[in-house]
Amino acid sequence: GAGVSQTPSNKVTEKGKYVELRCDPISGHTALYWYRQSLGQGPEFLIYFQGTGAADDSGLPNDRFFAVRPEGSVSTLKIQRTERGDSAVYLCASSSRGTTGSDEQFFGPGTRLTVL
Amino acid sequence: GEDVEQSLFLSVREGDSSVINCTYTDSSSTYLYWYKQEPGAGLQLLTYIFSNMDMKQDQRLTVLLNKKDKHLSLRIADTQTGDSAIYFCAESMGPGYALNFGKGTSLLVTP
Repeated sequence: GAGVSQTPSNKVTEKGKYVELRCDPISGHTALYWYRQSLGQGPEFLIYFQGTGAADDSGLPNDRFFAVRPEGSVSTLKIQRTERGDSAVYLCASSSRGTTGSDEQFFGPGTRLTVL
Repeated sequence: GEDVEQSLFLSVREGDSSVINCTYTDSSSTYLYWYKQEPGAGLQLLTYIFSNMDMKQDQRLTVLLNKKDKHLSLRIADTQTGDSAIYFCAESMGPGYALNFGKGTSLLVTP
């Protein structure tokens, strides 16, 4: 596809359940980022992948959150034992990981997660 | 991360100029960005400025950076109703580093 895609676009779950959110980056982009945007806030960084490995996971709020990118393309963000406070829009971005210029991060439309 | 602060709301008349301000605290910021977010759409990069620059102009957009005061501004000339959106200021240390966003400024352009 031409841009970053995320599925599902909306996810409603019950407190305590497990959810998976998927991100398809722009083809050929080696860098992939996950952010979380709560209502009325700016996006907050969660985790950054360079290829298959998590280069920086300092933004993950606790051990209920985990993300993988096994083949260096599609990534899945996994949330265990969801809590109401996890309700937010989860954004994925990818970049070509160039070493010059701004290395623009291209954002997907997000997955809106609602935990009841 | 370090704080990035923005005013929350701005309302302007169509055809006027809009100025959105941002302050940041991280002195190691290398790149400063302006993103636009419209309802139902992803974040769109509008422009960025490298920390050793004072100004950057791109069509109707002018970015001013005062590194001493850690103040960034975005000026939109001849603002149109289609410019109504939320504008986010963000900073990072460069390629491969996470973006640190402000809370966003909601711009309303009235006819």
